[in-house]
Amino acid sequence: EAQVTQNPRYLITVTGKKLTVTCSQNMNHEYMSWYRQDPGLGLRQIYYSMNVEVTDKGDVPEGYKVSRKEKRNFPLILESPSPNQTSLYFCASSSYRGRETQYFGPGTRLLVL
Amino acid sequence: KQEVTQIPAALSVPEGENLVLNCSFTDSAIYNLQWFRQDPGKGLTSLLLIQSSQREQTSGRLNASLDKSSGRSTLYIAASQPGDSATYLCAVKKTSYDKVIFGPGTSLSVIP
Repeated sequence: EAQVTQNPRYLITVTGKKLTVTCSQNMNHEYMSWYRQDPGLGLRQIYYSMNVEVTDKGDVPEGYKVSRKEKRNFPLILESPSPNQTSLYFCASSSYRGRETQYFGPGTRLLVL
Repeated sequence: KQEVTQIPAALSVPEGENLVLNCSFTDSAIYNLQWFRQDPGKGLTSLLLIQSSQREQTSGRLNASLDKSSGRSTLYIAASQPGDSATYLCAVKKTSYDKVIFGPGTSLSVIP
């Protein structure tokens, strides 16, 4: 089944404790991205990757890191999480072949205390 | 800087009505525009994608149109059903290798 998976789905952590949210897709997509969704602010792109080893900042990259060492994986790293990073996070992927429809993962709900 | 808005923010209609959701963008130089549906607490599901060279796309009861020159897209839902209740978001991309900008969404409630 074609899908984008994220882990963990729910996470409670404390300020300053490094964490990684994983994202994996099995559709051989080139383009992958991370979003955060907050009430009243909508969905905002954090980082995106056009292909392996190529990444760029979205609209809200501060406090986040990403890497794209393999085509299927695009982890999101919070090196020193803060309470303002409490949010719902989505990973998405799309292919340059065809219509470039974005496929979204189920989301990761993060609470930083 | 590209900005995307959606009107109305919320909409409540009786079952069976035809309805139109609006999406506006400030920079007409877009590569594509995509409409999504999001159920509460869930991820996004793609509904329709319109390339910049296209004027409309149809899927079942859904029809999306694009007018780049005026910076507008509309999503038309025919014969609405309670199962259509969800938040509908539009998103634009400037080039194939660029970031994606989302609108704030329209929350739709279809009353049986």
